[in-house]
Parts: sequence; structure tokens; C-alpha cells
Amino acid sequence: GQSLEQPSEVTAVEGAIVQINCTYQTSGFYGLSWYQQHDGGAPTFLSYNALDGLEETGRFSSFLSRSDSYGYLLLQELQMKDSASYFCAVRGEDSSYKLIFGSGTRLLVRP
Amino acid sequence: ETGVTQTPRHLVMGMTNKKSLKCEQHLGHNAMYWYKQSAKKPLELMFVYSLEERVENNSVPSRFSPECPNSSHLFLHLHTLQPEDSALYLCASSPEGQRITGELFFGEGSRLTVL
Repeated sequence: GQSLEQPSEVTAVEGAIVQINCTYQTSGFYGLSWYQQHDGGAPTFLSYNALDGLEETGRFSSFLSRSDSYGYLLLQELQMKDSASYFCAVRGEDSSYKLIFGSGTRLLVRP
Repeated sequence: ETGVTQTPRHLVMGMTNKKSLKCEQHLGHNAMYWYKQSAKKPLELMFVYSLEERVENNSVPSRFSPECPNSSHLFLHLHTLQPEDSALYLCASSPEGQRITGELFFGEGSRLTVL
């Protein structure tokens, strides 16, 4: 089967850097996606990594190591508005329409 | 504004009621999805429609019945629900390319409480 593991909660200080890890198990791998969801809001797509390495988009970067079945989301210059839940996701083995999500990491940014 | 609108945002119903959730997307996408989000659990895919045809049905109980009359609208009909069905129901859409990039466009969800 497929599964993703990520920490349930992370706390960091405003202005700091935080890394949210995700390890996955899947027999067929097509890339790792990241989503952000504020309380009461819609999950919002952040990034997608199909190849090894770091992808940077402003303050957010996402990294993938396919050999380690591991990725992370890096948030720099943290702001209070970054307090949210972050989900990693992989495509389903049996269906190209299915995204399998991790349980999410709740990030709390403190002043 | 995500381009995907869900109504109602909140719904309370008894176990014998019949209600429907509605989703509308204004993005011109071909695929639409229903996901269930329960506290401390991963998002669970329920149904997928592509070009108005159902392409996924993830062993969802028959008390949930989807309907996709056109590529812009998706409904989830609810009947004889159980308290454990209380959750946030998220609608999403995607262009055909989602299967490559894993990018879905979600609505803000309908918070369902079953008494």
C-alpha cells in the first residue's frame, strides 16, 4: 500500500526557517506535491517535485530525494500568516486521478 | 477566491434527513473530485469525475451519492447518514494536467454535522 509520514506539529519563531519532512512509501512514484491549508480554508497547492533536488518559489522551497523516498518543505523568513497545516501528497499507484495525502503538519509561528 | 465554490458552508442534519452539497468551478477544468477531511486524518478521496463520467469510486458507502450534470457542477447527495460521517467535505477540480503535477484546486469545504 501507499503511505506518507510527516510530523504532526511544528513550532517556530517569526523570521526563522522551518523544515517540514515527509517520507513516503509507494511502489510507483510520480512526484511529491505540497499543500497549505489555513484553518477554515481550502487546501492550496504549493509545489510539485518530480526530480531530485530543490525547487524554490519565493520564501518556500521543496526538496526531493527519490532514492530516500523523502522530501521536505522549507519555509524561510517565517511570518505569522504561515501558521497553517501543510500536507504532502503522492499520486495513487492504481489511478492517475488519485492523490494520497499525509496526515498533515500543523505549523505554529510564534512572535 | 479559489475558483471553486461550495455550498452550503455549514450543514447540520439528522440521520434521517436527505440533503445535498453543491460544488461549482469557474476554472474550465475537466475533472472534479470529492474529498472527505476528518480531524487528524489524511484527506480521503471519495469520488472523481472526468468529463462528467465517474472514474473513481473509493468504496464509499451508498448513503453518499455523487452527481455531475456538467463539467462545472458537482453534487454530493446525502441520505441516512451516521454521526461518524461528520466531517469537512472538500470539492476540488483540475485540468487534465493534474495527473502530472498533482495540482488540485480546492473549495473551502462544507462542514457537515450529523446528529
